[in-house]
Amino acid sequence: EAGVTQFPSHSVIEKGQTVTLRCDPISGHDNLYWYRRVMGKEIKFLLHFVKESKQDESGMPNNRFLAERTGGTYSTLKVQPAELEDSGVYFCASSHGTSGIRDNEQFFGPGTRLTVL
Amino acid sequence: AQSVTQPDIHITVSEGASLELRCNYSYGATPYLFWYVQSPGQGLQLLLKYFSGDTLVQGIKGFEAEFKRSQSSFNLRKPSVHWSDAAEYFCAVGARRNTGGFKTIFGAGTRLFVKA
Repeated sequence: EAGVTQFPSHSVIEKGQTVTLRCDPISGHDNLYWYRRVMGKEIKFLLHFVKESKQDESGMPNNRFLAERTGGTYSTLKVQPAELEDSGVYFCASSHGTSGIRDNEQFFGPGTRLTVL
Repeated sequence: AQSVTQPDIHITVSEGASLELRCNYSYGATPYLFWYVQSPGQGLQLLLKYFSGDTLVQGIKGFEAEFKRSQSSFNLRKPSVHWSDAAEYFCAVGARRNTGGFKTIFGAGTRLFVKA
């Protein structure tokens, strides 16, 4: 079974540009999460999808970040316009269900390293 | 509030020596605890997890962790470190959210250096 995949693995852009990150969850997983780690800090929750609906986006830093999950399959996270402080590693995770912890074990992707110059 | 503390930002051990990475958590309910490792240029890999039952948990790559409720700790151990263990290690707790489902709360990480 394929794991969570993320694209691209690395992205280097200039301040003010737009970048779109993609996450493909494990097939059949309804839950999809985005996390990020900025330099030297802990990995922090950004938002949670259940299928195509945003269940919790309390961790999104500001309105320059837009996440979508059309059709409840893959998800994109767009940063527009990017700022220097957006640099970091963006992780995606997916899980199967919502009822218990075992169903909710999150499987993480390899991350996208974003560098904003 | 839920939180995870890893008091050591970095640790250096000699190859072949034993290792213990500390982790303390703050969580009101039964904690679901994890240790992840991130090697340079790699993603997050799950080392081990604790949901319930035996408080000594065995993981991959020869790692183990012990859940101690009285100390709110979940320290990671390995009896003999290999040079390939040099990486960053994250302790995490799975927290149930009010809106349903769970989210993972991570510690700040401990970077392990291994010297020959």
